[in-house]
Formats: sequence, structure tokens, C-alpha cells
Amino acid sequence: QKEVEQDPGPLSVPEGAIVSLNCTYSNSAFQYFMWYRQYSRKGPELLMYTYSSGNKEDGRFTAQVDKSSKYISLFIRDSQPSDSATYLCAMNRYSSASKIIFGSGTRLSIRP
Amino acid sequence: DAGVTQSPTHLIKTRGQQVTLRCSPKSGHDTVSWYQQALGQGPQFIFQYYEEEERQRGNFPDRFSGHQFPNYSSELNVNALLLGDSALYLCASSSRTSGSVYEQYFGPGTRLTVT
Repeated sequence: QKEVEQDPGPLSVPEGAIVSLNCTYSNSAFQYFMWYRQYSRKGPELLMYTYSSGNKEDGRFTAQVDKSSKYISLFIRDSQPSDSATYLCAMNRYSSASKIIFGSGTRLSIRP
Repeated sequence: DAGVTQSPTHLIKTRGQQVTLRCSPKSGHDTVSWYQQALGQGPQFIFQYYEEEERQRGNFPDRFSGHQFPNYSSELNVNALLLGDSALYLCASSSRTSGSVYEQYFGPGTRLTVT
């Protein structure tokens, strides 16, 4: 069993829709949770990060972490065609520069 | 600020050969991590270098080795290439002395094809 599970999609939604992306994990030691966006032929770009449980909002993006359920989510409001990319959830255990464990990524397409 | 740079962009090698990939971290960063991303998968951690030493290692064989230079740039070496080593190799830089662990900036990657 993988430490981090993520639905690979692809997910296709119309422009303006609310998008929900999710990951589950098995290691209760994870404390730091991140979402990366990766455009085709590019490196991942950090979108959001959260420590422990709770919500964090940044513009059109909201990250949620539920440690009791080992479940994290990323919501994108008013989705735009430029949001079309692969979204990777990621997490790690320590506050120092420890290795990051990534999900397999969800491919998202926003239809104009 | 040039950000994280990697070279070469693409590389084609034959099974059994050796390859060296290079990474220059973002200005002000002192830590370099290497990841392997197979097609359709998330990046997998190979190892991390700080102060010219390997500090952490993922589940990769000894065929994968690295080096960090005094200017913080880094190399990833893979010996005895296998077909399964075909992937996008990503370098990420960060700072242990300032900033946070989340702020790992990724380069565009080197796409390695082994035939």
C-alpha cells in the first residue's frame, strides 16, 4: 500500500466550476501537507502548505487537512482554463528539511 | 534570479551506460534534493545534499549517487542504466538556514530515456 493515495483522474470540469481534489494517507506521523501544481514539461510549483489539521485559504485556493481521517483536500473556486495542470499532494513528517512524499497526481482539465 | 536550473534538458542513453545530471540551486539556497518522476507518477525522493554531504536517502540502489559542490550546485550520477531508469529527474533547492522546508523550488527537470 502506498503511503499517499491520489485519484489520477483525468478530471474535466467547465470553466467557473468549483474543483475538489483529494488525497488519503496512511502514516499518522505526517504533519506538513502541501499541494503542488505541475504543468506539462515543467517542474512542480508549490501552491499551498498546511501544518496539522485545519483550513488555509489563498485567493481561489483552499486547502483542508483532516488528520483524524487522514484526508486532505484542495478546492479551486472559479476555475480557469489556466488551472489545467496536474495537481500533486505531498506531505512530510518533520519541521526540518526532510523528504517529501508525493501522491501520484490528478490531471485536471478546465473546459472554456 | 534564475531559479533552479538543470542540464541537460533531454538525454538518451543505452542500457548499461552511465549518466550525470546537473543542478544549480536558486540563489541563496544551500540544500539540494533530487527526485525521480516516472510517467504518470508523483516524484520520488532519491537523496538530499547539504554542506556537501548526503543527508537523507530514499529507497534507491547504490547505482544512484550524488555530489554537492562548494557553490551548492549538485550532480546526480546513475551507473549501469536500466530501462526502468527512464524518467524525469527533478532537482529541488531549499534553505536549511532560512525559509521553511515547504519552500522547495523545483527545476524544470532532465528527461532521461534509456533504450
